[in-house]
Amino acid sequence: ETGVTQTPRHLVMGMTNKKSLKCEQHLGHNAMYWYKQSAKKPLELMFVYSLEERVENNSVPSRFSPECPNSSHLFLHLHTLQPEDSALYLCASSQEGGTGFQPQHFGDGTRLSIL
Amino acid sequence: DAKTTQPPSMDCAEGRAANLPCNHSTISGNEYVYWYRQIHSQGPQYIIHGLKNNETNEMASLIITEDRKSSTLILPHATLRDTAVYYCIVRVAYDTGNQFYFGTGTSLTVIP
Repeated sequence: ETGVTQTPRHLVMGMTNKKSLKCEQHLGHNAMYWYKQSAKKPLELMFVYSLEERVENNSVPSRFSPECPNSSHLFLHLHTLQPEDSALYLCASSQEGGTGFQPQHFGDGTRLSIL
Repeated sequence: DAKTTQPPSMDCAEGRAANLPCNHSTISGNEYVYWYRQIHSQGPQYIIHGLKNNETNEMASLIITEDRKSSTLILPHATLRDTAVYYCIVRVAYDTGNQFYFGTGTSLTVIP
């Protein structure tokens, strides 16, 4: 799947660091998503952006701050993370609205480790 | 959204059909059944979806029972590359704010 690209693929950071995860979609979609996948747990939806506006925030701690500057790019800014935030962070995009079903397309994720 | 129940793991011999069941007994009339899979170290990949009719595409077939309370994903000729975690999800279509609940899925191992 090359339609959704996430960088970096791996990230190790200390609890006091600030870093950002980047997602770019080349599919012309109008909605983008951040998911968290912890070991042995289901995917958890964190944020949803539709037409560059946030429409969903599933009680995510403020140390995670999303940004959607345009319909093709999505960022997740990280600050003062905790060890339990170590996980695979997945970005997805989809075309919402209109006629016909359009599935969510996922990137391959960023594997985040907090020291 | 209705939740789904899937067996945690299954094995399938290479070249045979893999039949992955899913129970969604509380599904409502406007909820679709979606299937995704996640191969190790990759993001989830869409496979197929349906409302009440059986569906087939180049990857798989989806059989939905008449009462819509359960479904089966069929991989007609499983290969080693089909080893993955398979997720059955029900959701209302076109609802950006309504998440896909992936559950824990079924870990399918295709055996040579």
